[in-house]
Amino acid sequence: DQQVKQNSPSLSVQEGRISILNCDYTNSMFDYFLWYKKYPAEGPTFLISISSIKDKNEDGRFTVFLNKSAKHLSLHIVPSQPGDSAVYFCAASVKTGYSTLTFGKGTMLLVSP
Amino acid sequence: ETGVTQSPTHLIKTRGQQVTLRCSSQSGHNTVSWYQQALGQGPQFIFQYYREEENGRGNFPPRFSGLQFPNYSSELNVNALELDDSALYLCASSLKTFSTDTQYFGPGTRLTVL
Repeated sequence: DQQVKQNSPSLSVQEGRISILNCDYTNSMFDYFLWYKKYPAEGPTFLISISSIKDKNEDGRFTVFLNKSAKHLSLHIVPSQPGDSAVYFCAASVKTGYSTLTFGKGTMLLVSP
Repeated sequence: ETGVTQSPTHLIKTRGQQVTLRCSSQSGHNTVSWYQQALGQGPQFIFQYYREEENGRGNFPPRFSGLQFPNYSSELNVNALELDDSALYLCASSLKTFSTDTQYFGPGTRLTVL
């Protein structure tokens, strides 16, 4: 049973436009959410996170939105750049006790010039 | 500040052999987690070490074992390798606090079992 779902395997966007990556979760115990970016042959790189007490967190071109009632989060990248082309993973954790990350399967973002 | 490092980068083993993967955590971090990423999947949690004790384990058999050392570096050992163990093995370190536990990943070790 997949607790974190990224239903779009891929997304293509033109440079300068907005990229929106979506993630749904089923476990209501999750209280901390993260987005990672992964290039081929590299480990995931932390991008941005959000605690369940917030509904929005912004860092430069990256904004994460959390809708707890819908158990949905999204990552907005504005403006998109060709260097943003990578696989993006959504991850969730429960901060109490040991906090394992549960990952989605990833969305491959391609930003074309 | 040194990030998370892993060795070796690539490894080829045959079925039934044993393998040890190594990870050096980021400076100041006290927690190390190991993940297995199969092709086309997200990373799956194997186990976590906090202050040299196993602090949680995912759905992996006992032939997956680990250690954390006083300097917070860590090893992942896999015995009796199976073909399905072929994957990218990722180590992540973090500083466990009350308010945050962001995990930072190393580049991974690509294990191929023939």
